[in-house]
Amino acid sequence: QVQLQESGPGLVKPSGTLSLTCAVSGGSISNSNWWSWVRQPPGKALEWIGEIYHSGSTNYNPSLKSRVTISVDKSKNQFSLKLSSVTAADTAVYHCARKDAAFDVWGQGTMVTVSS
Amino acid sequence: QSVLTQPPSVSGAPGQRVTISCTGSSSNIGASYDVHWYQQLPGTAPKVLIYGNSHRPSGVPDRFSGSKSGTSASLAITGLQAEDEADYYCQSYDSSLSGFYVFGTGTKVTVL
Repeated sequence: QVQLQESGPGLVKPSGTLSLTCAVSGGSISNSNWWSWVRQPPGKALEWIGEIYHSGSTNYNPSLKSRVTISVDKSKNQFSLKLSSVTAADTAVYHCARKDAAFDVWGQGTMVTVSS
Repeated sequence: QSVLTQPPSVSGAPGQRVTISCTGSSSNIGASYDVHWYQQLPGTAPKVLIYGNSHRPSGVPDRFSGSKSGTSASLAITGLQAEDEADYYCQSYDSSLSGFYVFGTGTKVTVL
């Protein structure tokens, strides 16, 4: 079955750019699903960041839209997240997830800390 | 930013029934968007328990059930078990602004 694995730096400096990649295995990123990023600050609730379709179409959370870019690399069967101008408030576990009716497949998540 | 409100915590003894409410508004649950429920065990990724308001994925025990009415939804757990101790989140779609997926504030279920 489809599995997702996040990767990227665990520490980002304030005002820098957070960059993560989600590798899709066990299935093609080009099937009829949208692919999302969801984050969870320590001890807090889940927050949807945005999504991408294999065509490159994207939708973003309005609260983050000005700082977020999600892209897809079909040749590598993966999609990526860039979040710019980060602050300590962006410290969180970042998950990638597949959207079917619900978010039915999740990556284990990767902790990203924003600190100098 | 959560626009879906859940009680912070609920608790019950083994075997009891507990319910978790998820209160939204006319731009999300009340606009007939589906509600989904997730269980998150400590240190793990969320797992979908209920999708499309009341449907259970394969492998989810029938002790879990979901319902929706008006601007609210509920998750019920009957025959509470120790392994049900976890955080639970509702999720829907909100059509305000340019539209976005929204999660609830989360509820910690404690088995006494």
